[in-house]
Amino acid sequence: QSALTQPPSASGSPGQSVTISCTGTSSDVGGYKYVSWYQQNPGKAPKLMIYEVSKRPSGVPDRFSGSKSGNTASLTVSGLQAEDEADYYCSSYAGSNKVVFGGGTKLTVL
Amino acid sequence: QVQLQESGPGLVRPSETLSLTCSVTGYSISSGNYWGWLRQPPGKGLEWIGTIYHGGSASHNPSLKSRLTISLDASKNQFSLRLSSVTAADTAVYYCARVWGAYYPDSWGQGTLVAVSS
Repeated sequence: QSALTQPPSASGSPGQSVTISCTGTSSDVGGYKYVSWYQQNPGKAPKLMIYEVSKRPSGVPDRFSGSKSGNTASLTVSGLQAEDEADYYCSSYAGSNKVVFGGGTKLTVL
Repeated sequence: QVQLQESGPGLVRPSETLSLTCSVTGYSISSGNYWGWLRQPPGKGLEWIGTIYHGGSASHNPSLKSRLTISLDASKNQFSLRLSSVTAADTAVYYCARVWGAYYPDSWGQGTLVAVSS
């Protein structure tokens, strides 16, 4: 059982927006600004898409955005494209140099 | 640009020790930051294994702590993982990563599949 809770699946049509949630506790998501999101395609390493709740690394489209409220963080993908179909994982710093992950969400572009 | 590459045996026998090394290029481990290991069992999610600082102090996943050793060799710009007494449950793709500020992995190796089987 993962430390952070994500829905197992999400879907949307091209051009639509979809939001994936990530729920933790006050000891991780709620307690720190260090929530990150990763995109993983089959057979590939995860790719950092969002860090520090809402910051995007260079090269990540601005269609990807992140937010947090209390113990729940969210990733929103706007203007869905076929290439966005992948698994998405959230992670959070949990203190004492520890990191926890969510169980992952499979995003399907219909 | 930092690059990481895992290396080590792809098959380990039950009860033996899994050993992996991560070679880092494009960034000096000695210049700071944190370095970590993560894994992903087939068809499952990501799991943080542990993180080590260039000064040598390490943090471990409590579920693995008794079996786990993470070390760093700055002279070779490498860090390593040793996981003892492995079982089939340790079969996974193992990733090494730079863990920025100890907060989040920002650069990952390509991953290496380690199967535990007799």
